[in-house]
Amino acid sequence: EPEVTQTPSHQVTQMGQEVILRCVPISNHLYFYWYRQILGQKVEFLVSFYNNEISEKSEIFDDQFSVERPDGSNFTLKIRSTKLEDSAMYFCASSEALRLTVTEAFFGQGTRLTVV
Amino acid sequence: KNQVEQSPQSLIILEGKNCTLQCNYTVSPFSNLRWYKQDTGRGPVSLTIMTFSENTKSNGRYTATLDADTKQSSLHITASQLSDSASYICVVSHDPNRDDKIIFGKGTRLHILP
Repeated sequence: EPEVTQTPSHQVTQMGQEVILRCVPISNHLYFYWYRQILGQKVEFLVSFYNNEISEKSEIFDDQFSVERPDGSNFTLKIRSTKLEDSAMYFCASSEALRLTVTEAFFGQGTRLTVV
Repeated sequence: KNQVEQSPQSLIILEGKNCTLQCNYTVSPFSNLRWYKQDTGRGPVSLTIMTFSENTKSNGRYTATLDADTKQSSLHITASQLSDSASYICVVSHDPNRDDKIIFGKGTRLHILP
């Protein structure tokens, strides 16, 4: 069964460092998403991406964040200068042509980011 | 303010028993409501999705109900299994044309005991 895969599963970084979280969406999917979940809190939308550009982004997704689809398979989330409050589980998701709200999205297993 | 509230916060039941999880929302306008299952350390997996006109939707032992008038939804799990131990998250969308217009609940943590 096709699945969304994320690497690494756990990333520890020092405050101020740049991190890149990687995701391989399901191959025939066209919409890609990043979410985060701070420990004990609800899942929060960060950004959606379609046709090589951002579709929507939340207030959380400020200038420190960027996304990229550098090749035909990977979808990355970059945090330029990490802060302690960026510590969270980051989930990548993908779906077919329609938006997440009307079609099923498949989530990866997440990358736990710990900023120290 | 658009909110999704779930209850109970956590629930412990014996294997084989049934249970019902609740979701109340104040999201407006309403587009659709989803229930997700999230195993510990894993991403959420979609169980059901319901639009305004749907009252009930089943997926195996999972049955979701929706009352759009009272803005309440429930997820009923029948004949629980140990593998049902997970967090169950209610997610409400208030704009089908925008990915950022979805509200996640905090989830109900379900523990199934043998």
